[in-house]
Amino acid sequence: GENVEQHPSTLSVQEGDSAVIKCTYSDSASNYFPWYKQELGKRPQLIIDIRSNVGEKKDQRIAVTLNKTAKHFSLHITETQPEDSAVYFCAALGEGGGADGLTFGKGTHLIIQP
Amino acid sequence: KAGVTQTPRYLIKTRGQQVTLSCSPISGHRSVSWYQQTPGQGLQFLFEYFSETQRNKGNFPGRFSGRQFSNSRSEMNVSTLELGDSALYLCASSPTTRSGELFFGEGSRLTVL
Repeated sequence: GENVEQHPSTLSVQEGDSAVIKCTYSDSASNYFPWYKQELGKRPQLIIDIRSNVGEKKDQRIAVTLNKTAKHFSLHITETQPEDSAVYFCAALGEGGGADGLTFGKGTHLIIQP
Repeated sequence: KAGVTQTPRYLIKTRGQQVTLSCSPISGHRSVSWYQQTPGQGLQFLFEYFSETQRNKGNFPGRFSGRQFSNSRSEMNVSTLELGDSALYLCASSPTTRSGELFFGEGSRLTVL
C-alpha cells in the first residue's frame, strides 16, 4: 500500500519567515495530495490540495508543489503568523488495488516564534 | 449545515472491555471514514463506509469493526480492548467514496486502563 514520509517532525520559525514541510510518497499511481492543519485540541481541516496533473497551487500565503517524477510534494507558508502554529499533515490518495483510503504522514509541529 | 458529530467525546474503559463509537456525517455526505490518531503514529486509516458498505479497510486487527446505517450514520466497535487502543478516534465524512477532501469530527478520546 501507499507509504507517506513527512519531514521535519518539528519546525520552529520566526514570525514573518517562511516555513517548508516536505513529504514523499511511494505509490506512483497516487493522484491526489491534500494538506490538513490541526490546531491544538481541534479537528484536522483541509487547507490546500493538489492533483497529479498540476505542478503547483497557491492560496494566499500557502502553496503546494508536486514533483511526480521524484514522488515528493511540499507545503510552503510565507510570512508566517502566530495563527499558523499547528500540526500539519500531508496525505496521499492511492489508486492501487489495495484499499488504503487516504494515507497520512506523521505530521509536522510548526511553531511560530514571536 | 451542521458539521460531523461524534459521540461520546471522552470515555474510559478497562482492558478486555468493548466500546462503540458513533459518528453522524454532514447532511448529504454518504461516505464515512474512521481514523485512529496517536502521538507517535499520526493518523492511521481504519476503514471507510459508503452506502452501508465497507469500501476500504486499513491494517488493523479484526477487533476493530464498523458499520453504516441507511441514514449514513456510522458506528465503530473495538472489542477486547488493549492498552494500545488508547487514542483519539476521528470520523470524517465526504460526499463521495475515496475522497481526499474529508470533513472531520472532533473525535472520541478513548483511554484504556
